Amino acid sequence: EAQVTQNPRYLITVTGKKLTVTCSQNMNHEYMSWYRQDPGLGLRQIYYSMNVEVTDKGDVPEGYKVSRKEKRNFPLILESPSPNQTSLYFCASSLWSTSGAEAFFGQGTRLTVV
Amino acid sequence: AQSVTQLDSQVPVFEEAPVELRCNYSSSVSVYLFWYVQYPNQGLQLLLKYLSGSTLVESINGFEAEFNKSQTSFHLRKPSVHISDTAEYFCAVRGSGNTGKLIFGQGTTLQVKP
Repeated sequence: EAQVTQNPRYLITVTGKKLTVTCSQNMNHEYMSWYRQDPGLGLRQIYYSMNVEVTDKGDVPEGYKVSRKEKRNFPLILESPSPNQTSLYFCASSLWSTSGAEAFFGQGTRLTVV
Repeated sequence: AQSVTQLDSQVPVFEEAPVELRCNYSSSVSVYLFWYVQYPNQGLQLLLKYLSGSTLVESINGFEAEFNKSQTSFHLRKPSVHISDTAEYFCAVRGSGNTGKLIFGQGTTLQVKP
């Protein structure tokens, strides 16, 4: 089954404690990205990757890092989480970055930073 | 800059009634438009998309959307809703350039009442 898998689904952490949210896709997609979803704001892109070892900032990259060492994996790293990073996070992948390629989304990770 | 505006944050409707979820976008270039649906505690799923050609696009579960270039709109409609249609709906446009970014509206919560 074609899917994007995120882990964990739920996470509560304390300010400043480094964490990683994993994302893996099994569709051999080149393009992957991370979004955060906040009430009234929709989804906003954090980082994206065109291919292995190629990553770039989205609209709200502050406080986040990513890496793309393998095509299938695109982890999101919060080096020093803060309460304003409490949000619902989605990983997405698509075959291409342009045109009408459908984006496939993971189930989401609900992060709470206290 | 491109943007997407969903005009209603919540739309309550009775079962079997028709519904329209409104979406307006701003873009000076050709656009690719999408509607995604998010059921409770799940990720986003593609409902339908407009790439080119016929301005009326349909989904397999009875939803349709019409691309109106002059009004820069992409409203979503269904002639008769079911309880199972209760979800949050997001309108999105693929950003210009090659960042692959999806620009989302704020989301509309469709509440179908028995």
